[in-house]
Order: sequence, then structure tokens, then C-alpha cells
Amino acid sequence: GQNIDQPTEMTATEGAIVQINCTYQTSGFNGLFWYQQHAGEAPTFLSYNVLDGLEEKGRFSSFLSRSKGYSYLLLKELQMKDSASYLCAVWDSNYQLIWGAGTKLIIKP
Amino acid sequence: DAGVIQSPRHEVTEMGQEVTLRCKPISGHNSLFWYRQTMMRGLELLIYFNNNVPIDDSGMPEDRFSAKMPNASFSTLKIQPSEPRDSAVYFCASSHTSDASTDTQYFGPGTRLTVL
Repeated sequence: GQNIDQPTEMTATEGAIVQINCTYQTSGFNGLFWYQQHAGEAPTFLSYNVLDGLEEKGRFSSFLSRSKGYSYLLLKELQMKDSASYLCAVWDSNYQLIWGAGTKLIIKP
Repeated sequence: DAGVIQSPRHEVTEMGQEVTLRCKPISGHNSLFWYRQTMMRGLELLIYFNNNVPIDDSGMPEDRFSAKMPNASFSTLKIQPSEPRDSAVYFCASSHTSDASTDTQYFGPGTRLTVL
């Protein structure tokens, strides 16, 4: 079967760095997405990785290792507004987007 | 661009009633997705269209659910009859499918459905 694993919840301190991991087992791979979803709102696109390595975009970076079926989202200089759920999603060989359950990130002052 | 537009934003109805959710995708996008999100099951793909044609409806729960896309700028998701277990947030998303793009899906604000 197809499966994406993420921690259910993480807590971090304002100004710190946090890494949210995602592991996947899918039938093929055509790319991995990270989305941010604030409570009561729609998911919004953060990043897309299709090749191994690190993609940096401001305070957010996303890493991919296809051989390990692993990705992480790195958030630096955390702000209170970063409190949200972070969803990992993988395109399988049929370009079906398989979604993880999401990681709820709580930022404390 | 106005983004993906959904209506209504909130819907409260009684069990057995028909519910119709509406979606206008981003202009120029040729793929449209209907999702349901609950605390228990997370984000679930119900159906998606490409160039107005339903491609995969394997996520549609049962015959009570139906979706249409009569043209490139409008889609509906209908539940008839509705049941309390259908209570959820229903998202519509759209993307532009091409060989060169990332096919990023852009989500609408969602419709929060409560069936009493």
C-alpha cells in the first residue's frame, strides 16, 4: 500500500529552528510537496522537490532523499504565525497525490 | 487572480436534505480536485477532473455523492441525501497540468458542511 508518515504534533520555541520529517512508501515517485495549513483555513503551497537535495526559500527549506524515501521541512527563526499544520504529499507513478495526515506545529513564546 | 472560489463557505442542513457545493477554479487551470477533510481521516481526495472530464472518482464515498464539471470554469459536488457523517470541510483545488509544470494545486477556502 501507499503510506506517508509524519509526526502528529511538534512543539518549538519562537526564534528557534524546527525540522519536520516525512517518510513515504509509494508506488513510484514524481515529486514531493509541502503545504502549510492554518487552523480553519485552506492548505497553501510551500515547496516542491523532485530531485535530491535542499531547496531553500527564505526561512523555509525542504530536503529530499529519494533513495531513503525521506524528506524534511526546516523552519528557521520561528515566528508565532508559523503555528499551523504542515502537510507532506507525494506524487506517485500515476501522478496521484498521496497526502500525509499532517504535523501540527505549536510555537511557544 | 481571484484564486479558487467556493460557495457557500458554510452550510448547515438536516439529514436527508440535498447539498450542492460549488467551485470556480483559477482561470487557465485545466485540472480540478474535490477533497474532504476531517479530524479523523485528514485530507481525502474524492474526485478529480482533467479538461472537464472525470479521471478518478475512486475516492467518492458512495452513490450519494456526485460531481460534475459542465465547463472549464465551474464544478459542483452534490450529496443527496446528506447524512451526519458527511459533516466535514470540503475543499476544491485546481492546477495547470503540463509536462513542464509542477502541477501545484491551489486550494479554495473550503465549505464547512454540518449535517444535523
